[in-house]
Amino acid sequence: EDQVTQSPEALRLQEGESSSLNCSYTVSGLRGLFWYRQDPGKGPEFLFTLYSAGEEKEKERLKATLTKKESFLHITAPKPEDSATYLCAVGVLTGGGNKLTFGTGTQLKVEL
Amino acid sequence: GAGVSQSPSNKVTEKGKDVELRCDPISGHTALYWYRQSLGQGLEFLIYFQGNSAPDKSGLPSDRFSAERTGGSVSTLTIQRTQQEDSAVYLCASSVTTSTDTQYFGPGTRLTVL
Repeated sequence: EDQVTQSPEALRLQEGESSSLNCSYTVSGLRGLFWYRQDPGKGPEFLFTLYSAGEEKEKERLKATLTKKESFLHITAPKPEDSATYLCAVGVLTGGGNKLTFGTGTQLKVEL
Repeated sequence: GAGVSQSPSNKVTEKGKDVELRCDPISGHTALYWYRQSLGQGLEFLIYFQGNSAPDKSGLPSDRFSAERTGGSVSTLTIQRTQQEDSAVYLCASSVTTSTDTQYFGPGTRLTVL
């Protein structure tokens, strides 16, 4: 069975305090590892897609990396506006489509 | 262009009533997905459309749930005889094609069954 586990469940950082979020997965036939950001009351907002081990992508203060078993979302010098729930998902082939299996997320709070 | 839109944004209904949730995907996106997000749980896949056909309905929780898509665009998720456990946020996503393309999500419909 495809599984995605995110840790920690919640993380509180001071502004400027860098850290990493973890996403470990077991899936048969990975078709992409996706990171989303979700603010309260809104839908998930796409951040990154990674397809193969060793791949890295960056966007502002965020950097995502991928190995064969896990992905990390590194947050460098975070700001309060980075506070959100970060969701990790794996893509699994289904009937020709790409079904996403999500973890339960890491709730990040960045304080001044 | 505009992103994925969903309506209504909030729906409160009584147990036993039927509800319809609507999704307008991004223009030109051929694949459309429905997910459900319950309190304290991750997003759960419900159904996927390629054009107007649904190759995978495996995530629909019961036969009270159905969905259709017309004209390769708008999709409607229908829940018949709603139960309290159906209370959740229902999210729709679309992607350009079906393979490994990124899915872009709408704002969701929050359904509350009293």
